[in-house]
Amino acid sequence: EPEVTQTPSHQVTQMGQEVILRCVPISNHLYFYWYRQILGQKVEFLVSFYNNEISEKSEIFDDQFSVERPDGSNFTLKIRSTKLEDSAMYFCASRAGLAGYNEQFFGPGTRLTVL
Amino acid sequence: AQSVSQHNHHVILSEAASLELGCNYSYGGTVNLFWYVQYPGQHLQLLLKYFSGDPLVKGIKGFEAEFIKSKFSFNLRKPSVQWSDTAEYFCAVNRPDNNNDMRFGAGTRLTVKP
Repeated sequence: EPEVTQTPSHQVTQMGQEVILRCVPISNHLYFYWYRQILGQKVEFLVSFYNNEISEKSEIFDDQFSVERPDGSNFTLKIRSTKLEDSAMYFCASRAGLAGYNEQFFGPGTRLTVL
Repeated sequence: AQSVSQHNHHVILSEAASLELGCNYSYGGTVNLFWYVQYPGQHLQLLLKYFSGDPLVKGIKGFEAEFIKSKFSFNLRKPSVQWSDTAEYFCAVNRPDNNNDMRFGAGTRLTVKP
């Protein structure tokens, strides 16, 4: 069964450093999402992406964040200058976009630890 | 503000007890509804989903949920819990008429005592 994959599974970085989290959505899916989950808290929507542009972003997704689909398979989340409060689990999701079928499939997540 | 509300922050049950976790949402219009489970140290797994049709939805591992449109609710139930059901449970709402964005509830931690 096709699945969303994410790399790395765990990323440790120093405050102020740039990180890139990678996701490979399910092939033929058209919509892509990033969510984050701070330890012990709920899953929060960050951004949605369709047709090579951001469709919607939350207030969390400020200028330090960016997303990109550099090729036909990867979907990346970049944090330009990490802060301690960026430490969280980051989940990627993708959706087919077929009419009447709206389920998002989630990846296993990347745990980001900012020291 | 529009939101997804899960009423119980932490539920503690003994094995074989019945479970009901509440979920309410405040969005108007068409919604798709989901329950996800997150076992300790693992990622989100889909338990069940409702798109249309029979409002009583059966999912994996004996879970079911009932969509009551008039109450804006989608409560999760299981007649007899097991120790292995110990996990965090998240209700989520997807809005097809609003870019299909998905919003999660705060989660309910379920602890099942053996």
